[in-house]
Amino acid sequence: EAQVTQNPRYLITVTGKKLTVTCSQNMNHEYMSWYRQDPGLGLRQIYYSMNVEVTDKGDVPEGYKVSRKEKRNFPLILESPSPNQTSLYFCASRTGQGAYTFGSGTRLTVV
Amino acid sequence: KQEVTQIPAALSVPEGENLVLNCSFTDSAIYNLQWFRQDPGKGLTSLLLIQSSQREQTSGRLNASLDKSSGRSTLYIAASQPGDSATYLCAVGGSNYQLIWGAGTKLIIKP
Repeated sequence: EAQVTQNPRYLITVTGKKLTVTCSQNMNHEYMSWYRQDPGLGLRQIYYSMNVEVTDKGDVPEGYKVSRKEKRNFPLILESPSPNQTSLYFCASRTGQGAYTFGSGTRLTVV
Repeated sequence: KQEVTQIPAALSVPEGENLVLNCSFTDSAIYNLQWFRQDPGKGLTSLLLIQSSQREQTSGRLNASLDKSSGRSTLYIAASQPGDSATYLCAVGGSNYQLIWGAGTKLIIKP
């Protein structure tokens, strides 16, 4: 089944403790991206990657890092999480014609 | 700057009714438009994708139309069911197919 897989689904952590949210897709898509979703603010893009070793900032990149060492994986790294990064995070990949597939989401709470 | 608006923000209808959700955008120079469904606390499920050269797409009881000249798209749901209850999001694909999101319409279908 074609899908985008994110892990973990839920995560509670403490301020300053580094964490990684993994994202993997099995559709051989070149494009992948990360979003966060917050009440009243909708979906906002954090980072995106057009291909392996190519990453770019989205609308809200501060406090996040990403890497794209291989086509299928696009992890999101929070090196020093803060409470304002408490959010619902989505990873997505996309075909060359612009059709997006999203993961099931990761609900992160930073205390 | 592209802005995407979804009206109404919320809609409650009895089961069995046909209904229309609206999405408007300010810049007609779009690459595509995609409708998604989101269940509470869950991921985003792609419903329909309309490329800029297309006028409509259909999938089962769903039909989406696109009128670039007027900056509008509609999602028509026929014979609504309680399982259709969810938030419906419209996203416009701009340059490089980057998504610009509407705030969503929360739909409740009453049994």
